[in-house]
Amino acid sequence: EADIYQTPRYLVIGTGKKITLECSQTMGHDKMYWYQQDPGMELHLIHYSYGVNSTEKGDLSSESTVSRIRTEHFPLTLESARPSHTSQYLCASSAPVPGTQYFGPGTRLTVL
Amino acid sequence: TQLLKQSPQFLSIQEGENLTVYCNSSSVFSSLQWYRQEPGEGPVLLVTVVTGGEVKKLKRLTFQFGDARKDSSLHITAAQPGDTGLYLCAGTGGGNKLTFGTGTQLKVEL
Repeated sequence: EADIYQTPRYLVIGTGKKITLECSQTMGHDKMYWYQQDPGMELHLIHYSYGVNSTEKGDLSSESTVSRIRTEHFPLTLESARPSHTSQYLCASSAPVPGTQYFGPGTRLTVL
Repeated sequence: TQLLKQSPQFLSIQEGENLTVYCNSSSVFSSLQWYRQEPGEGPVLLVTVVTGGEVKKLKRLTFQFGDARKDSSLHITAAQPGDTGLYLCAGTGGGNKLTFGTGTQLKVEL
């Protein structure tokens, strides 16, 4: 059973606010990921990290940024939220072999 | 870009029926995972298959990885309302990044 946590679970904010979505895992996994998903649709990779101080942009362009100062923590920040950022954000981590990813419960973000 | 297409996109069946979901690509994957996701939650891993031709069974669910490692199928026997959800296949490519399929929304009615 994977232990990966995301907070908050739900967030409703106004346009222009700065927000940080938290993600933590207790499995010691080096690799962590952020995905964006609209309801019932496929997942799109927006950021990933292969270890401390390593971050890369994913396949879907995003205005968000991430940091990886500690192995267990991979927060995502939006400096100025807009309605187009409304979506579900999912965090995941993976063990080396065979690359299976374990997901957190997600943060449902609504920007008014 | 590696693409994974799932079919059907939507499936609504009665309790007790059998169904198969397909996941197809023109690319080869080192492994393939199947996830189930309920509304407002993250995907939950069902199975990982790594060998071409591999078949795995989990109770009423049977997963198969194609011989060429480009496609996979999920078969559910005697579907139950608790099987309702979004089913996602995902293939592992370079760097352990996952490419997710387009998803199959399953609804099982009483």
